[in-house]
Amino acid sequence: IAGITQAPTSQILAAGRRMTLRCTQDMRHNAMYWYRQDLGLGLRLIHYSNTAGTTGKGEVPDGYSVSRANTDDFPLTLASAVPSQTSVYFCASSDGTPNTGELFFGEGSRLTVL
Amino acid sequence: GQNIDQPTEMTATEGAIVQINCTYQTSGFNGLFWYQQHAGEAPTFLSYNVLDGLEEKGRFSSFLSRSKGYSYLLLKELQMKDSASYLCAVLDSNYQLIWGAGTKLIIKP
Repeated sequence: IAGITQAPTSQILAAGRRMTLRCTQDMRHNAMYWYRQDLGLGLRLIHYSNTAGTTGKGEVPDGYSVSRANTDDFPLTLASAVPSQTSVYFCASSDGTPNTGELFFGEGSRLTVL
Repeated sequence: GQNIDQPTEMTATEGAIVQINCTYQTSGFNGLFWYQQHAGEAPTFLSYNVLDGLEEKGRFSSFLSRSKGYSYLLLKELQMKDSASYLCAVLDSNYQLIWGAGTKLIIKP
C-alpha cells in the first residue's frame, strides 16, 4: 500500500537520550515535512525538505535535526531529548514544489520524554 | 503575526447540518485547506479553496471569502463517523502552511 510509514509508533525515553524517528514514503514525492502536534495548538513545522539533498528549518527547529539523503527517507533526530519534546510527531509529504498544501501524513509517532 | 482561529469544540446531532468557521490573518494567501483528523489518527485532506465561493464535495462543502479572511466547512447529513477534529490551514506567501488548533466535532445520536 502506497503511503508514508513512520517508526516507532510510540516510545518512552529518558531525558538526555538520543532518538531518531524514521519516516519513509513510496510515493516519490519531492517535499517532506516533520510536524509536532500538541494539545490545544495547531500543527507546528519542525523541519522540511523540498527535494533530496536539501533541508530547511520550520517554526520550531531547536533541538531537532533532519537529513534527506534520498527521496524516500526523512529521519528526524533528537540529539538530547528534553521533556518539552513530549509530543505526537507527524511526517508528511507533498507532490509539488512549492508546497501545494495537500499533504499526505504518516500515522504519527507518540514520544514521551521523562 | 500569523493567526488562524476556529472554535475549540462543537456538538451536533446525527442527521443534522453543522458549520465550522475559520478566520485567518496571514502574510499573503495561496489557498485555504480543511483536514479531518480522527482521534489517534493522521490528518487527511478534505478540501481546498483559493478563490471566493463555495466548493461542494458530497456531504462536505467549503466556503471562502478572501476579503473577510473567513472560511467555513459545512457538513450535511451528519453521521457518527464524522466525529473528528477538523483542521483549518492557510498556505501563506512563502508557501508555508499555517495551522489552526482544530475544532473537535462531537456527534450525538
